Amino acid sequence: QSVLTQPPSASGTPGQRVTISCSGSSSNIGSNAVNWYQHLPGTAPKLLISRNNQRPSGVSDRFSGSKSGTSASLAISGLQSEDEADYYCATWDDSLNGVVFGGGTKLTVL
Amino acid sequence: QVHLVQSGAEVKKPGASMKVSCKTSGYTFTSSGINWVRQAPGQGLEWMGWISTPNSNTVFAQKFQGRVTMTTDTSTSTAYMELRNLRSDDTAVYYCARAEGYSYGSGSYFVDYFDYWGQGTLVTVSS
Repeated sequence: QSVLTQPPSASGTPGQRVTISCSGSSSNIGSNAVNWYQHLPGTAPKLLISRNNQRPSGVSDRFSGSKSGTSASLAISGLQSEDEADYYCATWDDSLNGVVFGGGTKLTVL
Repeated sequence: QVHLVQSGAEVKKPGASMKVSCKTSGYTFTSSGINWVRQAPGQGLEWMGWISTPNSNTVFAQKFQGRVTMTTDTSTSTAYMELRNLRSDDTAVYYCARAEGYSYGSGSYFVDYFDYWGQGTLVTVSS
C-alpha cells in the first residue's frame, strides 16, 4: 500500500482533458510540495511538475499541477497519444522522514 | 547538459550483494544529492534513500535501513548504492536521480524534486 493514493488507471480520447488525483495526509502533502513524474516503460522517469505547479523547461504547457490541503492533482489538456504513460505523484513525508510515491496511474489514450 | 549514466545489468544469487554505480556529468557534482529509486516488475516507484554529495550524509527508507549503503566518489562524480543480503523480491530496475536536499539536524531531512534520472539498472536475483 502506497502512502499517497492515486487511481490505478485513467483514460481519455485525443484532445480531451484528463485529471489524475493524489491523496495524502498532513505529514506529507499537507506539509510539503508535490512533484509529478511521467514514466514510459523502458525509459527513465521524467520530472513533469515540481513544487505543486512548476513546469520544468521543455515540459509542455498542456501539463499543469495543483494542490489543496492534503490532495494534489495533475491535469493534462489536449490529450495526445504520446501522453500514454504511467504518472506518479511524490513528496516528502515528515513523519516517515523520507520521500513517498503514489502507486502510479496508468493513462490510456483511447 | 546533465547526464546520469548507470552501470549495466546484473544477475545475483539470493544472499549476495549488489552494487550499482551512477556516473554524473554536466553539473557540479557536490551541488545536488543523489537518490536511489527502484521499480519491481509490475510495481510502482519506491524510494530507497538519498545521499548528500558534499558531506555524504544519508537518509534511508526504513525498509532498507541496515541493508543498504550509499556512497560517493567526488573525484569521479559517481554515486554508488550497495544492497546486501539480496532476496528474490529485490529483483527490480534501480534508478539514480538527482535532487537537492538538506538536513535539519537531529536526523531530520528534506529532499526536493528529482530533476534528472539515470537510465536504470536491471538487477535480477535468482538462484
